[in-house]
Amino acid sequence: EAQVTQNPRYLITVTGKKLTVTCSQNMNHEYMSWYRQDPGLGLRQIYYSMNVEVTDKGDVPEGYKVSRKEKRNFPLILESPSPNQTSLYFCASSPGTQGSYEQYFGPGTRLTVT
Amino acid sequence: SQQGEEDPQALSIQEGENATMNCSYKTSINNLQWYRQNSGRGLVHLILIRSNEREKHSGRLRVTLDTSKKSSSLLITASRAADTASYFCATTLRAGNNRKLIWGLGTSLAVNP
Repeated sequence: EAQVTQNPRYLITVTGKKLTVTCSQNMNHEYMSWYRQDPGLGLRQIYYSMNVEVTDKGDVPEGYKVSRKEKRNFPLILESPSPNQTSLYFCASSPGTQGSYEQYFGPGTRLTVT
Repeated sequence: SQQGEEDPQALSIQEGENATMNCSYKTSINNLQWYRQNSGRGLVHLILIRSNEREKHSGRLRVTLDTSKKSSSLLITASRAADTASYFCATTLRAGNNRKLIWGLGTSLAVNP
């Protein structure tokens, strides 16, 4: 089954404790992206990647890092989480420049930073 | 930054009725997409309409696009309780290699049995 998976689905952590949210897709998509969703602010892009070793900032990259060492994986790293990063996070993937613009989303990771 | 604004913010209807949601956007687009999100879950792609298309159908869904008014509408016919969800429009800005989606804040649809 074609899908985007994220882990963990729920995470409660404390300020400053480094964490990684994994994202993996099995559709051989070139494009991957991370979004956060907050009430009243909607979905905002954090980082995106056009292909292996090619990443760039979205609208709200501060406090986050990403890497794209393999085509299928695009982890989101919070080196020193803060309470303002409490949010619902989504990973998405899409075919490359010659493909459709439709994006496929993971189930989401609900992060709480205390 | 929000590109799309959905209207209404919330809609409550009875099963079997039609539901219409509208979306307005601000800048020129390549395409406009509609997504559904069940409570607290991932987003599911529903339909994509390109800037040179005016209407598109998919099952019980009908999407229209008016680029002169920078607006789109999503019609769900013969609604079911399972259609209860939030619906978002998103536009694609082709900025370099970024396929970033610019989202509206969504319409919350409740279909009552």
